[in-house]
Amino acid sequence: QVQLVESGGGLVKPGGSLRLSCAASGFTFSDYYMSWIRQAPGKGLEWVSYISSSGSTIYYADSVKGRFTISRDNAKNSLYLQMNSLRAEDTAVYYCARRVTYYDILTGYYRGFYFDYWGQGTLVTVSS
Amino acid sequence: SSELTQDPAVSVALGQTVRITCQGDSLRSYYASWYQQKPGQAPVLVIYGKNNRPSGIPDRFSGSSSGNTASLTITGAQAEDEADYYCNSRDSSGNHLAVFGTGTKVTVL
Repeated sequence: QVQLVESGGGLVKPGGSLRLSCAASGFTFSDYYMSWIRQAPGKGLEWVSYISSSGSTIYYADSVKGRFTISRDNAKNSLYLQMNSLRAEDTAVYYCARRVTYYDILTGYYRGFYFDYWGQGTLVTVSS
Repeated sequence: SSELTQDPAVSVALGQTVRITCQGDSLRSYYASWYQQKPGQAPVLVIYGKNNRPSGIPDRFSGSSSGNTASLTITGAQAEDEADYYCNSRDSSGNHLAVFGTGTKVTVL
């Protein structure tokens, strides 16, 4: 069965760095786009970043661009998020999720994507 | 980037039907997906594409879309359906970003 297990969260001071990891199992990791999604305490979901199956295509939310770096190691079935220059507003539970592209069944047209499996999340707290 | 707007909260009597809506420009071009999140748990995908349910999701959950609005309907709501629900779609600005809705708290009375 598909499993995603995040690790690396913790307490860090503003301006500090942290590296999150996500260990994947139960599927061919190198076939899928992967994503990081976060949720601040008591708030909604916020997409952070995603990376293509080969690692050649990467996108970030404006809120983290230039500070966070997503990467993957397909040989280790692992996804990473390097977080630098952390701010209090980065405090959140960080989830890794598998992204699936959706094509219309009848027309074959690209119609977006969805996140079919999520890890349990790892809490990042940025505080002095 | 695009925004997806949801009503903050809705309530439904046990066994009745409730519809949750999600509005945004991107929904004119891309399908929404829907996620259920219970307190202290990770989100779970309940609807994706035109109206598809992952394995294990009860058939009382269904999805639809018209214009800039996507809807999630729970027909015959159960106590265990009480949760937060989020829609998600691709950004319509051409920047290949993803966006989540603001979330709807569903209370089953």
